[in-house]
Amino acid sequence: KAGVTQTPRYLIKTRGQQVTLSCSPISGHRSVSWYQQTPGQGLQFLFEYFSETQRNKGNFPGRFSGRQFSNSRSEMNVSTLELGDSALYLCASSLRTDYNEQFFGPGTRLTVL
Amino acid sequence: KNEVEQSPQNLTAQEGEFITINCSYSVGISALHWLQQHPGGGIVSLFMLSSGKKKHGRLIATINIQEKHSSLHITASHPRDSAVYICAVRFAQKLVFGQGTRLTINP
Repeated sequence: KAGVTQTPRYLIKTRGQQVTLSCSPISGHRSVSWYQQTPGQGLQFLFEYFSETQRNKGNFPGRFSGRQFSNSRSEMNVSTLELGDSALYLCASSLRTDYNEQFFGPGTRLTVL
Repeated sequence: KNEVEQSPQNLTAQEGEFITINCSYSVGISALHWLQQHPGGGIVSLFMLSSGKKKHGRLIATINIQEKHSSLHITASHPRDSAVYICAVRFAQKLVFGQGTRLTINP
């Protein structure tokens, strides 16, 4: 069974641009969560989607948004990029929300110049 | 105060030693996860616990719900165990992470 895939793996953008990251969950998994990891703040929850609905959102500004498609693939978008958005963005999938083991993708490393 | 605290932050040991990493949390949780992150960023889920104890190979995870505490043990440690170990709790329908414990096992 294929694991969680994320594209692209690396991305360089400049301040003010926007970026879209993609996550394909494990086949059959309907829940996708997104996380941001920085050296200063560690891992932080961004949002969680289940059956195309956002179930939860972390404490991030509205520049961070996401969506999930009917095939459970998910995208997250960051608009008006800031230097502080440079981070490793991880997505994880699980069969359903709550109580289920999460399977992480390799991450997308975003650098904002 | 962080909702999830791990100790120690850094741990260096010799191959073969018994390793313990601790995680304390301050909120009511529905589950606790132990994660492993190798250089390069990939994260692997080691355990998910809501009570008791789980064992997988040389790894053992325990949780005490009343004391809001969990431990991850590694028996007969090996250099390939060198990684960052992260505790995360499921709280208010989201995962909240500890700051991680960087483990280095020297041959």
